[in-house]
Amino acid sequence: GAVVSQHPSRVICKSGTSVKIECRSLDFQATTMFWYRQFPKKSLMLMATSNEGSKATYEQGVEKDKFLINHASLTLSTLTVTSAHPEDSSFYICSARGAGWHEQFFGPGTRLTVL
Amino acid sequence: DAKTTQPPSMDCAEGRAANLPCNHSTISGNEYVYWYRQIHSQGPQYIIHGLKNNETNEMASLIITEDRKSSTLILPHATLRDTAVYYCIVRASGGGADGLTFGKGTHLIIQP
Repeated sequence: GAVVSQHPSRVICKSGTSVKIECRSLDFQATTMFWYRQFPKKSLMLMATSNEGSKATYEQGVEKDKFLINHASLTLSTLTVTSAHPEDSSFYICSARGAGWHEQFFGPGTRLTVL
Repeated sequence: DAKTTQPPSMDCAEGRAANLPCNHSTISGNEYVYWYRQIHSQGPQYIIHGLKNNETNEMASLIITEDRKSSTLILPHATLRDTAVYYCIVRASGGGADGLTFGKGTHLIIQP
């Protein structure tokens, strides 16, 4: 299958700071990328969908000004958690899909801990 | 997307076939059945998908009933590394831009 990477894999930050997470498709062009988060012992929840060169579409209840998404190229999307608070601590996972593909390929996830 | 129902957990002996059921009785004609799995603390992994016909790849087989109201994912020779949460997801054709809706899945535990 296609390969998706995320960086960093783990980050610890202080409350009030911003954190940027990168998601890259390594061997294909990702026309659509998705961001999910997963709290302990829970299923993944879709946060937003982004298409290259367009503004992201956010799911209900996800604050677009807090979770900034940029999909500037066909191989890179970034999620910035602004003014992070302890309740933002979670496992953030991206996925990517090529044009017309049925399946999505997921990154390994980023564990964010806000102190 | 149609709702799916899966058992919360299953055990299987190493080396045996693992058969994971999924009920999707409200599936629409244009909806596919997808299976993903998530090993602890990793991102989900795509396994297989199908519309009407049975499908097989290097990882698994997908058996869809004729009325499409249920399906079974088969891991032919389960190994310890197959221990994971398996998600059955039903959604319309993959050409759309929607993300996936994950339910609670089935926690498959492979016993040595």
